[in-house]
Amino acid sequence: AQSVSQHNHHVILSEAASLELGCNYSYGGTVNLFWYVQYPGQHLQLLLKYFSGDPLVKGIKGFEAEFIKSKFSFNLRKPSVQWSDTAEYFCAVRLDFGNEKLTFGTGTRLTIIP
Amino acid sequence: DSGVTQTPKHLITATGQRVTLRCSPRSGDLSVYWYQQSLDQGLQFLIQYYNGEERAKGNILERFSAQQFPDLHSELNLSSLELGDSALYFCASSVDPGGGTDTQYFGPGTRLTVL
Repeated sequence: AQSVSQHNHHVILSEAASLELGCNYSYGGTVNLFWYVQYPGQHLQLLLKYFSGDPLVKGIKGFEAEFIKSKFSFNLRKPSVQWSDTAEYFCAVRLDFGNEKLTFGTGTRLTIIP
Repeated sequence: DSGVTQTPKHLITATGQRVTLRCSPRSGDLSVYWYQQSLDQGLQFLIQYYNGEERAKGNILERFSAQQFPDLHSELNLSSLELGDSALYFCASSVDPGGGTDTQYFGPGTRLTVL
């Protein structure tokens, strides 16, 4: 069964700092990859997704992620964070075909200090 | 706003009781997924329906059941509730789960508290 690891449980940054959140998955086949964000008290919102093609994908709110197949990784990045980025970030994996459920990582809580 | 609606927003009940959570998918979406978010288990897939039929099952307890109706809304029934069932229950929907670029959009969730 596939699994997703997010090693950073809580990250604290100052405004304007650069962000990188790690995501690694374990599955040898083709996968679809997603990052979702959950602002305090709100539902999961899609930040970005990767299906195929260019491994560098851009999402909303200035976020981007890079798929590195050899490292089974899909790290989330943002060059300059804002206070409003304070939220919980979830990486998720879906097998390409035949198993449509999302397997989520444990999440990374991001706190931005003004 | 993702277009997925869930009711109720909050539910407080007692152990041993039975509750029903409701989800309406985005317009045009045929597939509905249920997930449970708890502090100890994180976000776990429970069950998926597609066009009225059960399509996949995850870590769903036998005390829990779900269905999808002809109008495509779905209900998750939780019975013989225990304290450990307290969690946030999310519904997600997607248009074409067998497609290579399918994306799930999540509703606002129902927070269940079992006392």
